Amino acid sequence: DTGVSQDPRHKITKRGQNVTFRCDPISEHNRLYWYRQTLGQGPEFLTYFQNEAQLEKSRLLSDRFSAERPKGSFSTLEIQRTEQGDSAMYLCASSPESDTQYFGPGTRLTVL
Amino acid sequence: GDSVTQMEGPVTLSEEAFLTINCTYTATGYPSLFWYVQYPGEGLQLLLKATKADDKGSNKGFEATYRKETTSFHLEKGSVQVSDSAVYFCALWHTDKLIFGTGTRLQVFP
Repeated sequence: DTGVSQDPRHKITKRGQNVTFRCDPISEHNRLYWYRQTLGQGPEFLTYFQNEAQLEKSRLLSDRFSAERPKGSFSTLEIQRTEQGDSAMYLCASSPESDTQYFGPGTRLTVL
Repeated sequence: GDSVTQMEGPVTLSEEAFLTINCTYTATGYPSLFWYVQYPGEGLQLLLKATKADDKGSNKGFEATYRKETTSFHLEKGSVQVSDSAVYFCALWHTDKLIFGTGTRLQVFP
């Protein structure tokens, strides 16, 4: 059982730079989710895919954020022109099209 | 909209003490309810779930009962261990995604 993996685990960047995160879901899961968690808060939904189709995006996902899942397997989340307010833990989860989600370890982003 | 409210932490207990972490929800309909746990440096893990009113979810000695009348899903454990120290999140399922509470940190001392 390989579980959900995310890369990198930590990213430090300067304001204005672009960053990209990768998530590899559990192989047989067709749904993939992105959440953001800031310090002292619970995770907040950003977007999700069913196979390669992006079915919903939160209002939290500004135009600087884009997510893809081109072949219905791994997904990338890109943040352009990062701002200090983007500093957070970015969590990926996968699901076999049910209400049970399996989370990865997260990518911690620090924007200086 | 749908939301989850958890008691603020930290909750500090001695080993073998009884644990209750309160969770109430606001929702249209009767969503599935969850408790997730986040150990230091790790991702979220599903602890237990309940899918309908009066269901009891249980795992690793933890229990929670879906109470429709009080819109609650309180987490309980009869005897906590130091290894239970973590952050606990209550969540509900709403239109294909999870809505989380703010989390409650539990600290258990020997």
